[in-house]
This record gives sequence, C-alpha cells and structure tokens, in this order.
Amino acid sequence: AQSVSQHNHHVILSEAASLELGCNYSYGGTVNLFWYVQYPGQHLQLLLKYFSGDPLVKGIKGFEAEFIKSKFSFNLRKPSVQWSDTAEYFCAVHDKAAGNKLTFGGGTRVLVKP
Amino acid sequence: EAGVTQFPSHSVIEKGQTVTLRCDPISGHDNLYWYRRVMGKEIKFLLHFVKESKQDESGMPNNRFLAERTGGTYSTLKVQPAELEDSGVYFCASSLPGQALYEQYFGPGTRLTVT
Repeated sequence: AQSVSQHNHHVILSEAASLELGCNYSYGGTVNLFWYVQYPGQHLQLLLKYFSGDPLVKGIKGFEAEFIKSKFSFNLRKPSVQWSDTAEYFCAVHDKAAGNKLTFGGGTRVLVKP
Repeated sequence: EAGVTQFPSHSVIEKGQTVTLRCDPISGHDNLYWYRRVMGKEIKFLLHFVKESKQDESGMPNNRFLAERTGGTYSTLKVQPAELEDSGVYFCASSLPGQALYEQYFGPGTRLTVT
C-alpha cells in the first residue's frame, strides 16, 4: 500500500536552532508533494507544495523543502526557528494515479522553546 | 474570502447514537473531501465529491458512514450507529478544478468523541 513516513513524532528545539523534518513516500509514479502545518487551535494550512520544476521549493514563513526523487523524499527545513513555529507539521502526497486524495504522514509535533 | 467551515466543532455522543457532521466548502469549490484523524494516527482520506457526485469513496470505513452533498454545495457526513472507534477529528477540505485541484483547503475539523 502507498504510504508516507515522517521520521520524527516529536521534536523539541530552542529558538534560532535549525529545523529539518524528514518525509519519505513509497510511490513510484508521478506525485505532487505538500507540507501542511497546524498551529495550536488553528486549522491545517498549506506551508508549501511541489508540483514540478525546481526541486527546492520555498514556502511561507521561511520554510523550504527539497524534493529528491531518487530518495523518494521531501524534507522540510527552516534555518532558524521561532517560538511561533510551534505546531504540528504534516507531509502529504498526491499520487496522480490514485485519484485526488492526499495521503498523509503521521505528523511531527514541533515545540520551540523560547 | 471565507474558508472551509465545519459544524459542530465538538460532538460527544454515546455508542449507538447518530451524529451528523456538516461541511461548507469555499464558494465555487466543486471538489470536497472528507478526512479523519483517529488519535495518534495519521490523517486518512474518507471520500471525495465532485459537485454532488461521489468521485472516490474508497476510504469510507464501513456502511455506518453516509456522506451526501445534495445540490453540490455543503456536505454532511452521518455516522449511524456510532461506535467507540469512530472517535477522532473529522476534517473537510475543498479545492478548485484544474492545476489548483491538488491544493486542498482544510476546515477546522469536528472533534467527535464516542463514549
């Protein structure tokens, strides 16, 4: 079955530290890739997306992600986190051969200590 | 522009009862999706509407779940009778057709607790 794996369930770090969240997927075909974020008390919102082209994509709030096709990975990065980045982050994959549904990873809870 | 809205935000019901969740998509979004997150697990797809038609219902767990989208606007998801394992957060999302088809906008979710 198609799956998305996020390597860490919980991450705790201090402000100004760098953040990298891993995401791997199991699809062999053409995919669209997403990172969503859910801040405390808020709904899921799109952080960034990759459809095609430059594999390094930049999103909102200083986040970026790199699509590495050979590794089936789409890792999320931010060079210097802020307390306001405390949230749960979800990697999601759209497999074009499987309809329009998104398949999500299990989520990573990030706590940034001030 | 108003976002995706869901009602209620929370629902606590007893096993065997019926609950109906509602989702209002962003105006003009023909595509509407339901997802569910059981505690501690990943967000899982339930079904996809294009206007009033069910395009993909491969994620619906069993026949206790019934989704409708009469008129192609808002959608309801009914659980009857509810079981303990139905507890979780139910998310609705909507999207436009075309390339933007794949960018889904999510609602705040309905937290369902079955006791």
